[in-house]
Order: sequence, then structure tokens, then C-alpha cells
Amino acid sequence: DTAVSQTPKYLVTQMGNDKSIKCEQNLGHDTMYWYKQDSKKFLKIMFSYNNKELIINETVPNRFSPKSPDKAHLNLHINSLELGDSAVYFCASSQGSGTVDHPSSYEQYFGPGTRLTVT
Amino acid sequence: QKEVEQNSGPLSVPEGAIASLNCTYSDRGSQSFFWYRQYSGKSPELIMFIYSNGDKEDGRFTAQLNKASQYVSLLIRDSQPSDSATYLCAVDRGSTLGRLYFGRGTQLTVWP
Repeated sequence: DTAVSQTPKYLVTQMGNDKSIKCEQNLGHDTMYWYKQDSKKFLKIMFSYNNKELIINETVPNRFSPKSPDKAHLNLHINSLELGDSAVYFCASSQGSGTVDHPSSYEQYFGPGTRLTVT
Repeated sequence: QKEVEQNSGPLSVPEGAIASLNCTYSDRGSQSFFWYRQYSGKSPELIMFIYSNGDKEDGRFTAQLNKASQYVSLLIRDSQPSDSATYLCAVDRGSTLGRLYFGRGTQLTVWP
């Protein structure tokens, strides 16, 4: 009963290729996120969707494009992969986008991560 | 100035001791504060969150928040070797709900 799942777990590819990472959550949450964790373990948000609507779009190269076909799925497509894209990518979800009146909606649950290696 | 700062450690404590992890943040308007634990090769796991000044206790964990000093801490009592992990502090500034700013984490080692 995996709450937030990602595929693939490992992805090794060459520079210039295009790849996708898929994420699914079965928690019934409305909001999903993509994070990037670099080699120094710094975790930074990339995107978030609330009910299929883009809420957060951090300054990331436009080679990265998220897609949310429904509120249970959020995929990440990366074009023209570069060496610097090597990292662990985490998907996460939360009940809502968070309000002080509903603190439980802040809780973000992370998937197991996808380790992307670009050679 | 970094949004969220933590001592990178490593912090090493003996089993049974109290581990104290600290975090400061730059945006005075920040509203919500989270502590995540991340074991090596695993995903972050939420262990505590706090919104109001003061202490919040959950089992062996106590989160402390001082908004005036822009400081949040996590105390782990009776530390166990299984607590050895990297602890990430995250802050929600409230400008865009759900956007968490993470510190770089403090690596904790509890030795038997």
C-alpha cells in the first residue's frame, strides 16, 4: 500500500536524451510536488500542482515540464538532459496547499525518489 | 543570506543522551516550521511541525519555536542509534502556501 510511488527508482541516461519520471499517490491528496535533491543533500522545490493546476513554478530550466493528468498523478518530463541534472528527484503530496487554520494540510508525504544519473 | 540555516554537523551523541538540532530562518513572516528525518538513501519523513511559539512535544521529540529570534529547534530525548539520520528543517513562509524552504540538514550520529 505505497502512499506515494515513483517510477523508475533509478535512471541512467546520456546527455541530450529526453526522459520522464512518473509519480502517483493513493492518499486522496489534492496537491503534489516535485523536489530536486542535489549531491549535497539540498532539497529544493521545483513545481507543485493543486487539483491539476500549477501553483508553484520555481526558477528551473524550461527543459523541465511537469504534467498532471489528474490529481493523483504528477509526471516530470526532462528534455535535453545535462550533466547538472543528475540528482535525486522526489515527488510529494499533501492534503491541500496548506492553511494556518488547517495545519494537517501542510504535511507533505514524499515518494521514494528517483536517482537520475546523466553521463 | 540563506532562507533556512542549519549546522551541517555531524552531530555525534551517545545513546541515551539528548540531541539538540538547531535551525534559523531569515523571513520574519514565516508561519509554519517542519522537521523531517532522512535516512541515507531514503526519502524525507515528517516527524514534527510547529506553528506557535513555545514547545511542542511528541514522544521523545520536542520542537521549540521562537519567532522573535527566528529560531526553531528539535530536541531528541533518550537518543537511540536508530535516530542516526539527517534532520532537515523546513519553513513555510506563507507567501505561497505549500512552498517549503529546506535547510541543508544536520547529520546526527547516535553511538551505542
